[in-house]
Amino acid sequence: AQTVTQSQPEMSVQEAETVTLSCTYDTSESDYYLFWYKQPPSRQMILVIRQEAYKQQNATENRFSVNFQKAAKSFSLKISDSQLGDAAMYFCAYKSSGGGADGLTFGKGTHLIIQP
Amino acid sequence: DGGITQSPKYLFRKEGQNVTLSCEQNLNHDAMYWYRQDPGQGLRLIYYSQIVNDFQKGDIAEGYSVSREKKESFPLTVTSAQKNPTAFYLCASSGILAHSYEQYFGPGTRLTVT
Repeated sequence: AQTVTQSQPEMSVQEAETVTLSCTYDTSESDYYLFWYKQPPSRQMILVIRQEAYKQQNATENRFSVNFQKAAKSFSLKISDSQLGDAAMYFCAYKSSGGGADGLTFGKGTHLIIQP
Repeated sequence: DGGITQSPKYLFRKEGQNVTLSCEQNLNHDAMYWYRQDPGQGLRLIYYSQIVNDFQKGDIAEGYSVSREKKESFPLTVTSAQKNPTAFYLCASSGILAHSYEQYFGPGTRLTVT
């Protein structure tokens, strides 16, 4: 079974600064998908960014980018120019690429605090 | 607007009662999922369904049941056999092809059992 580990229960960053959230995972599969989800106080889960394991290029979405290190099984999220609206829980998630429906395996999350 | 709706937002029940949580989607997604979230925890998979009239157990299915009679609907029943039912429940849906695998979530239902 796959596992996802987020070793930082809480992170704090000054507004406009850059912060990196860590995620490591364990799998015996060679092809899979990785995601970062954001959960603000409303508790709505919002997809931030995704990465296909077969792609070497790191995904980027505006101020959000990932550092995907397949050999190290590491998938960190970098948030540039942090904004107050970025304050939330962030979850790293893994999905097998076996096709069809397959649930996500989540880490326990990192609580991101933005200091004004 | 396309999306996923869950109702109600808050639900209160007495111990020993079964309760059903609603989940509806109009995204035309084939797959639907139920997750449970406890304080300080990530989401854990309860059940998922790839097609109408078919569903699979997730990691924590004990004490729960589901049905999938329509593509749009995937209700979850929390039975009295579930030992710790108080939690936040999230429903999600996705496509089943490689280009449509992202899961989109509903707003969740907070269930409190006393």
